[in-house]
Amino acid sequence: AQKITQTQPGMFVQEKEAVTLDCTYDTSDPSYGLFWYKQPSSGEMIFLIYQGSYDQQNATEGRYSLNFQKARKSANLVISASQLGDSAMYFCAMSQTSGGSYIPTFGRGTSLIVHP
Amino acid sequence: DADVTQTPRNRITKTGKRIMLECSQTKGHDRMYWYRQDPGLGLRLIYYSFDVKDINKGEISDGYSVSRQAQAKFSLSLESAIPNQTALYFCATSDPGRSTDTQYFGPGTRLTVL
Repeated sequence: AQKITQTQPGMFVQEKEAVTLDCTYDTSDPSYGLFWYKQPSSGEMIFLIYQGSYDQQNATEGRYSLNFQKARKSANLVISASQLGDSAMYFCAMSQTSGGSYIPTFGRGTSLIVHP
Repeated sequence: DADVTQTPRNRITKTGKRIMLECSQTKGHDRMYWYRQDPGLGLRLIYYSFDVKDINKGEISDGYSVSRQAQAKFSLSLESAIPNQTALYFCATSDPGRSTDTQYFGPGTRLTVL
């Protein structure tokens, strides 16, 4: 069985500073994908970034980067130069193969508040 | 126009009523999913479908059923709603042609069962 753990229910950061949101995962499948999604107060789920289990380099998308440490089974999201609009819930997710297809599992989320 | 749409966006119903939540997509994806979100619990998978003839139970399928009417349409039914099914429900799609299987979400349906 796979599992995603986000240990930080809430985080605070000052505008323009960097923040790291933690995510650890547990799977016995060698092939998996790791994702981060953002959910602002309006409720929609927005895809941010993806890391494949075989990717050698950490994924980056603009101000978002994923700090992938395979041996430690961690996939932390780093947001650089935080903005007020980054205040939201953030979910880490993993997809593992199941009969050749990918089945997603989500963590419980971290609430990020960016202070001016 | 949104690629993944859900109707209704909000619904209040009573215990014992039958409810159908509908999802339509214009992304051309074969894979579709239904999730529910409860505060503090993240998203949990209810059902998923990899094509019109393929329906699979997720983590929490009890009390729910689904119908995949076409590639673009995937409906979730609550045959006899109960209060603990009060939640935010999301439909999502993904592209089997891409190994990443990124989920593309609809706007959500907020369901309240009294």
